[in-house]
Amino acid sequence: AQKVTQAQTEISVVEKEDVTLDCVYETRDTTYYLFWYKQPPSGELVFLIRRNSFDEQNEISGRYSWNFQKSTSSFNFTITASQVVDSAVYFCALSEADQTGANNLFFGTGTRLTVIP
Amino acid sequence: DAGVTQSPTHLIKTRGQQVTLRCSPKSGHDTVSWYQQALGQGPQFIFQYYEEEERQRGNFPDRFSGHQYPNYSSELNVNALLLGDSALYLCASSFQGLIDGNTIYFGEGSWLTVV
Repeated sequence: AQKVTQAQTEISVVEKEDVTLDCVYETRDTTYYLFWYKQPPSGELVFLIRRNSFDEQNEISGRYSWNFQKSTSSFNFTITASQVVDSAVYFCALSEADQTGANNLFFGTGTRLTVIP
Repeated sequence: DAGVTQSPTHLIKTRGQQVTLRCSPKSGHDTVSWYQQALGQGPQFIFQYYEEEERQRGNFPDRFSGHQYPNYSSELNVNALLLGDSALYLCASSFQGLIDGNTIYFGEGSWLTVV
């Protein structure tokens, strides 16, 4: 069965600090996809990144970076030099493609990040 | 390029009533999925529609039903509302339900309160 664990319920950092959000997943599939979404108070889930199980390269996008390690089933997300606008709930999600091509996202419970000015 | 749009934004219903939520997928997308997000929780998959048929379903009772139209827009219907149905309902769109080379985009959601 699929499972996504985000052990950090809430994190507070002071502006300009770096912060890492942890994500650990479980799946029996060899082909799967991992996502990170940001959810501001408005409710919309904003796509941040998608990573497939065959691509273990770390990725950097501006102040955001992601560390994918299959050996530990982790897909951690780091924000460098945090800003107040980064305050939101962040979700890690897992998707497996089944034979019909259908797929759905299994979400973790989210980490609420508060960046203090 | 229009993103995923949902309506209504907020609504209040009474226990036992029925509700219909609507979603228009992102331009170029043909697959719509619905998620329920209770307060303080991550979104939970309800079902997915592709080619006007329900292709996959999560662990939700039959009170939750849906429809997809030829223009790919979709509706989520919930009958016999319970207080526990109060949640944010999110619509997600993608292309052919395949995420390789694509991604899944979400709308802003419909906040449903059942009293």
